[in-house]
Amino acid sequence: AQSVTQLDSQVPVFEEAPVELRCNYSSSVSVYLFWYVQYPNQGLQLLLKYLSGSTLVKGINGFEAEFNKSQTSFHLRKPSVHISDTAEYFCAVRGRNSNDYKLSFGAGTTVTVRA
Amino acid sequence: DAGITQSPRHKVTETGTPVTLRCHQTENHRYMYWYRQDPGHGLRLIHYSYGVKDTDKGEVSDGYSVSRSKTEDFLLTLESATSSQTSVYFCAIRDRQYEQYFGPGTRLTVT
Repeated sequence: AQSVTQLDSQVPVFEEAPVELRCNYSSSVSVYLFWYVQYPNQGLQLLLKYLSGSTLVKGINGFEAEFNKSQTSFHLRKPSVHISDTAEYFCAVRGRNSNDYKLSFGAGTTVTVRA
Repeated sequence: DAGITQSPRHKVTETGTPVTLRCHQTENHRYMYWYRQDPGHGLRLIHYSYGVKDTDKGEVSDGYSVSRSKTEDFLLTLESATSSQTSVYFCAIRDRQYEQYFGPGTRLTVT
């Protein structure tokens, strides 16, 4: 089984400033990692994913994340945020076995971007 | 958006009544999931299905049942709704690349 800890429940940030959202995971097997974004009153949308290869993954809307196997982390970053990035962000993990069909989610990080 | 719709989108019901939420997909995906979202808990898996008539429990399945008689429809039933089941419910599908795509959600209030 896997578990995810998102280390910050709320992150206030000013427009055009950088932001980092921290995610640590626990698993006894190799994993796939995901970041989802949820805008107010909407469903979840995939931002980016790490499946294999380069540990630096680029996603939509200028976001990127780095997989660090030794620290079991998958932190999300954006160098310059916009007001429209105000949303809730979820880190998720799944085992690599093809029979492992369940995602485990973190509790979420609410990002509020202020002008 | 993976062709996922959920109905109803909003529902208010009384404690003790049965409630059924519907998830419909148009792309013939084998795997479908029901999650609930609550503040401070992220998304928690209620039930999932890996084919017609094939379902299994997730981590918070007590008080819920599911049915899948057709590939495109996955129903979630609250047998006797309680206030603790007030939540936002999301349906999801898993595509062939093992990515999950989510529906727009159903906001359920149990009074």
